[in-house]
Amino acid sequence: GESVGLHLPTLSVQEGDNSIINCAYSNSASDYFIWYKQESGKGPQFIIDIRSNMDKRQGQRVTVLLNKTVKHLSLQIAATQPGDSAVYFCAENYGGSQGNLIFGKGTKLSVKP
Amino acid sequence: ETGVTQTPRHLVMGMTNKKSLKCEQHLGHNAMYWYKQSAKKPLELMFVYNFKEQTENNSVPSRFSPECPNSSHLFLHLHTLQPEDSALYLCASSQDYQTNSNQPQHFGDGTRLSIL
Repeated sequence: GESVGLHLPTLSVQEGDNSIINCAYSNSASDYFIWYKQESGKGPQFIIDIRSNMDKRQGQRVTVLLNKTVKHLSLQIAATQPGDSAVYFCAENYGGSQGNLIFGKGTKLSVKP
Repeated sequence: ETGVTQTPRHLVMGMTNKKSLKCEQHLGHNAMYWYKQSAKKPLELMFVYNFKEQTENNSVPSRFSPECPNSSHLFLHLHTLQPEDSALYLCASSQDYQTNSNQPQHFGDGTRLSIL
């Protein structure tokens, strides 16, 4: 069965600091990973994705790192802002069917002013 | 305009009622999805439609009945639901539903459903 999960259910950081949210996945056949952000009262918002042939991908203030050796995924947010406060989900695709995204439970990020 | 729009945002219904959730996407996508999000649990895939054809039914009880009249619209018809069906129901869309296509899904803001 799937076991996409997150190491920490909550993360509290100071405004301006960098945040790192971690995710472990169990299926070595997974070839595509996505990070979503879900604010209160809203649906998940796509942040960044990465394919298994990459180790790192950067977006605006966000970086996703993929370590296939230990099946670990992380999301780094630079200069965290109050607007970054949300629940962050990772999701993996087993590679068989694109629709079969397996989601983790999420990490709640709280940014202290 | 939001890419994926869901209505209503909130719904309270009794166990004997019949109601429908609506989803509309303005992204030109061909695949649409229904998910259930319960507290402290990961997102659960319910149904997938690709080019209006149902391609996935993730062992969902028959009291949930999806309908996809075209690639832009998706409905979830509800009938004789149970209290444990109270949850946030999310609709998503993606370009299409193909193996190894590796595309992100884009979500609406959901319908918060409460069963009395």
